[in-house]
Amino acid sequence: EVQLVESGGGLVKPGGSLRLSCAASGFTFSSYSMNWVRQAPGKGLEWVSSISSSSSYIYYADSVKGRFTISRDNAKNSLYLQMNSLRAEDTAVYYCASPVGPTEQAMDVWGQGTTVTVSS
Amino acid sequence: DIQMTQSPSSLSASVGDRVTITCRASQSISSYLNWYQQKPGKAPKLLIYAASSLQSGVPSRFSGSGSGTDFTLTISSLQPEDFATYYCQQSYSTITFGQGTRLEIK
Repeated sequence: EVQLVESGGGLVKPGGSLRLSCAASGFTFSSYSMNWVRQAPGKGLEWVSSISSSSSYIYYADSVKGRFTISRDNAKNSLYLQMNSLRAEDTAVYYCASPVGPTEQAMDVWGQGTTVTVSS
Repeated sequence: DIQMTQSPSSLSASVGDRVTITCRASQSISSYLNWYQQKPGKAPKLLIYAASSLQSGVPSRFSGSGSGTDFTLTISSLQPEDFATYYCQQSYSTITFGQGTRLEIK
């Protein structure tokens, strides 16, 4: 079964750091790009960051550039998001997602999400 | 960044109705447009990719059309399980989503 499982969410104070992980199974992780997408409470979906299969290409939303770092370990079938200098507006459910299906352009596999709350 | 604008933001409809949701891009994105369905507390689910291709396992009552800047998602005959929020997403450049359309039961 193709699966993504996020972990690492929690409560953190403003200015703090957190590292999210996403464990992949059921597909050849090293062949696919990966993405982080977040959803603030009651709000829509916001793309956060993407990383290519070999980590050669990395992109960030302007809202997180310079504070968040995406990385992956293909040997461990894992994706990461290091989040520093966290702000209240980073509070959200964070999903990892991947285009495992017929096109690289659409995310057809999603994790269940992990919740990050930034509050004092 | 490419801005994606969906209309309407919310919609009330009845079981059996035909429903159309529109998504407009701020510049041409060819056919790099995907549609997702999200139910409360759940991850998004891919419905349509490349503007008009139906994702495997998605009922044929869902269809997509359009290219360039204007796109539509149509549900031909609403079923109870279709009441959810729908998002468009472009993959022509760095990913952006529309703001969502909440489909509610009338």
